[in-house]
Amino acid sequence: AQSVTQLDSQVPVFEEAPVELRCNYSSSVSVYLFWYVQYPNQGLQLLLKYLSGSTLVKGINGFEAEFNKSQTSFHLRKPSVHISDTAEYFCAVSDPTGNQFYFGTGTSLTVIP
Amino acid sequence: DTEVTQTPKHLVMGMTNKKSLKCEQHMGHRAMYWYKQKAKKPPELMFVYSYEKLSINESVPSRFSPECPNSSLLNLHLHALQPEDSALYLCASSSLAGGYEQYFGPGTRLTVT
Repeated sequence: AQSVTQLDSQVPVFEEAPVELRCNYSSSVSVYLFWYVQYPNQGLQLLLKYLSGSTLVKGINGFEAEFNKSQTSFHLRKPSVHISDTAEYFCAVSDPTGNQFYFGTGTSLTVIP
Repeated sequence: DTEVTQTPKHLVMGMTNKKSLKCEQHMGHRAMYWYKQKAKKPPELMFVYSYEKLSINESVPSRFSPECPNSSLLNLHLHALQPEDSALYLCASSSLAGGYEQYFGPGTRLTVT
């Protein structure tokens, strides 16, 4: 089974500062990679995904992520955060069959005014 | 339209009650999922339906009974639940034609008293 590691459980950052949320996965075989955001009392919303091709993936709300196969990482970045970005962020990996998702433990991003 | 709807939004039930959660999607997706999510934790997979057939049951207690009446609908029947079953229950769907990103509904907040 896959494992997904989000090393930072909580990340506080000042408004308009850049942020990076880290994600590492265990598999050496082809996988699909995703970042989801969850606002309080809501479901998960897809931010971006990596399936193949360019290793830099752009998503919604100004987020982007870079796939690094050699380091088995898929870190999420935003150059300038807003108060509205305060939420829980989950990295997820899908096996090549798409039968199952493996979620990381989540990173709570708090944007400080 | 990338919407997954869930009803009800909130549910309070006693340990002897029988209730059902409902999920609907109109994206033509052929895979549907039930997840359970505790506060500040990632979603935990419960069941997967592929082409209206149960393909994955993650050793969920029999007090949870899933049903997939057709390709657009997914139900979760609840009976004799325990207080520790209180959680956010999320439904998701995905295309089996590639990509595999899952689209999540807003969830049902379940409280067992």
